[in-house]
Amino acid sequence: GQNIDQPTEMTATEGAIVQINCTYQTSGFNGLFWYQQHAGEAPTFLSYNVLDGLEEKGRFSSFLSRSKGYSYLLLKELQMKDSASYLCAGPTYGGATNKLIFGTGTLLAVQP
Amino acid sequence: NAGVTQTPKFRILKIGQSMTLQCAQDMNHNYMYWYRQDPGMGLKLIYYSVGAGITDKGEVPNGYNVSRSTTEDFPLRLELAAPSQTSVYFCASSYPPRAGQPQHFGDGTRLSIL
Repeated sequence: GQNIDQPTEMTATEGAIVQINCTYQTSGFNGLFWYQQHAGEAPTFLSYNVLDGLEEKGRFSSFLSRSKGYSYLLLKELQMKDSASYLCAGPTYGGATNKLIFGTGTLLAVQP
Repeated sequence: NAGVTQTPKFRILKIGQSMTLQCAQDMNHNYMYWYRQDPGMGLKLIYYSVGAGITDKGEVPNGYNVSRSTTEDFPLRLELAAPSQTSVYFCASSYPPRAGQPQHFGDGTRLSIL
């Protein structure tokens, strides 16, 4: 089946840059999603990558390397409100994206 | 804009009781999903549907049932509640995800089985 791996926790300082990594195993790949989830709230969509390279969206950027099964989310100019869990989600084994497999999430704590 | 609406927001059940978690979306999405999220964990897919009348199992379907009689509604049924089903349940909907369409989540139902 599909494995999606992310670090469990990260800590960073307000104003800094942080990179959250995600690795996955799949074939017939069809894109990878990043979601943000604040404590006690529902996940919200951040980004989607289907091609290799970096997609920039304001302070947040997401990178994908399909050959390496690797993605990262880059957060710049960190703010306290960025403290949240960041979930990587990819297609199930075989590449079907009717259903996604979510990683366990990376809990980011932004400190003053 | 209502989006995805889940009811109830909180519920406490006794072991062996049954209940239905309601989910409705007003975005005309064909795809709908039910997830559970245990503390400190990611989302686990219970069931999903690609359109009215079509449902399929996800990773953790045991103990649950679903139906999809309309595009808008996708209820999740627990027949014999067990303590292991204590969790936060999220419903989501989307356009076909193959094109990178994001899933839109409801606010969740927090369910405790005692």
